Amino acid sequence: DAGVTQTPRHEVAEKGQTIILKCEPVSGHNDLFWYRQTKIQGLELLSYFRSKSLMEDGGAFKDRFKAEMLNSSFSTLKIQPTEPKDSAVYLCASSPNTGQLYFGEGSKLTVL
Amino acid sequence: GDKVKQSPSALSLQEGTNSALRCNFSIAATTVQWFLQNPRGSLMNLFYLVPGTKENGRLKSAFDSKESYSTLHIRDAQLEDSGTYFCAAEAGGMGYKLTFGTGTSLLVDP
Repeated sequence: DAGVTQTPRHEVAEKGQTIILKCEPVSGHNDLFWYRQTKIQGLELLSYFRSKSLMEDGGAFKDRFKAEMLNSSFSTLKIQPTEPKDSAVYLCASSPNTGQLYFGEGSKLTVL
Repeated sequence: GDKVKQSPSALSLQEGTNSALRCNFSIAATTVQWFLQNPRGSLMNLFYLVPGTKENGRLKSAFDSKESYSTLHIRDAQLEDSGTYFCAAEAGGMGYKLTFGTGTSLLVDP
């Protein structure tokens, strides 16, 4: 079975650019999550979808971060415009309604 | 303060030895998950626990919701066990709201 797939694995952006990160959840999983991981803040929840409906939009991250799930097998996270403080690993995870999370390998973003 | 406190923050083990990692919760945790983040960055789900214990090979985990802690025991540590271990707790019936600990960095030496 394919796990959670994230692309790209690495992204380098100039300050002010728009970047789009992509995620394909495990087939059949209804819940999809976007997290951001940094050494200082650890893992922070950005967005949560249940059956494609946005349930959590990440509070403090609403401003320049937008997650979308146009179909049950694909989600995107757009950061616009990027800032150097957005440099982090962005992790996508899915869950089959049990609450047990399965993570992708992450997209490492560096903003110069 | 930290809602999920992990200890130790770092640990070095000889191959073949045993150890235990711990998470203490200051939230009313209802379920706990343990993850291992490998050097590539992928977080692998090791356990999903309601109060009680689970075992998988050389790993055993326990969750005591009344005493607000969870443990992860590693038996006969192997080189491939190296990485960062995270626990995450769900509280208040909001299944998606996991609070993560800050991790335990484990290095297994030959």
